[in-house]
Amino acid sequence: SQTIHQWPATLVQPVGSPLSLECTVEGTSNPNLYWYRQAAGRGLQLLFYSVGIGQISSEVPQNLSASRPQDRQFILSSKKLLLSDSGFYLCAWTPGPTRDQYFGAGTRLSVL
Amino acid sequence: DQQVKQNSPSLSVQEGRISILNCDYTNSMFDYFLWYKKYPAEGPTFLISISSIKDKNEDGRFTVFLNKSAKHLSLHIVPSQPGDSAVYFCAASAGDYKLSFGAGTTVTVRA
Repeated sequence: SQTIHQWPATLVQPVGSPLSLECTVEGTSNPNLYWYRQAAGRGLQLLFYSVGIGQISSEVPQNLSASRPQDRQFILSSKKLLLSDSGFYLCAWTPGPTRDQYFGAGTRLSVL
Repeated sequence: DQQVKQNSPSLSVQEGRISILNCDYTNSMFDYFLWYKKYPAEGPTFLISISSIKDKNEDGRFTVFLNKSAKHLSLHIVPSQPGDSAVYFCAASAGDYKLSFGAGTTVTVRA
């Protein structure tokens, strides 16, 4: 069966520190991968998506970047975190041609 | 620009009764719609979807209705159960793999 793993579950980081969140999908190949952020009381905002290794599309210009070094691995990074980067970060995937996205458990990031 | 709107931030319903969640959209290019359920500190769980070629899709206790002329969709949960207490998001896609989400509706099912 297909599963998605996202870690860590919770992260507290000081302003100006780097960030690396990792997401991996098991049981499938060549998935579409997505990073979302949910700010408090808001809906989900698409940050990045990838349709293949090395292919990254950015939806919102900001302090974050994404990379896809392997087929089933998606990484969200920042060189220097801002207070405004705090939020709930979610990784999602679709098994190819379907548009039904499936989400990981999320990472609660607090930047202090 | 909020293209998908859930105008009711919260809904309270008695156990066993029907829950009706509403969602409006502005982008006429949206052709695929989804509903997700989310518990606190967890990722959203896919519930049900509908293509614009249909006006109704049913899966167990969940039914989604689509009114394209009104740019409106709704999710009916019958009967409502305590485990249905969660935040519900509607989402829409305009022919590609990107989803636009509403802000969510918090459902509370009262015993």
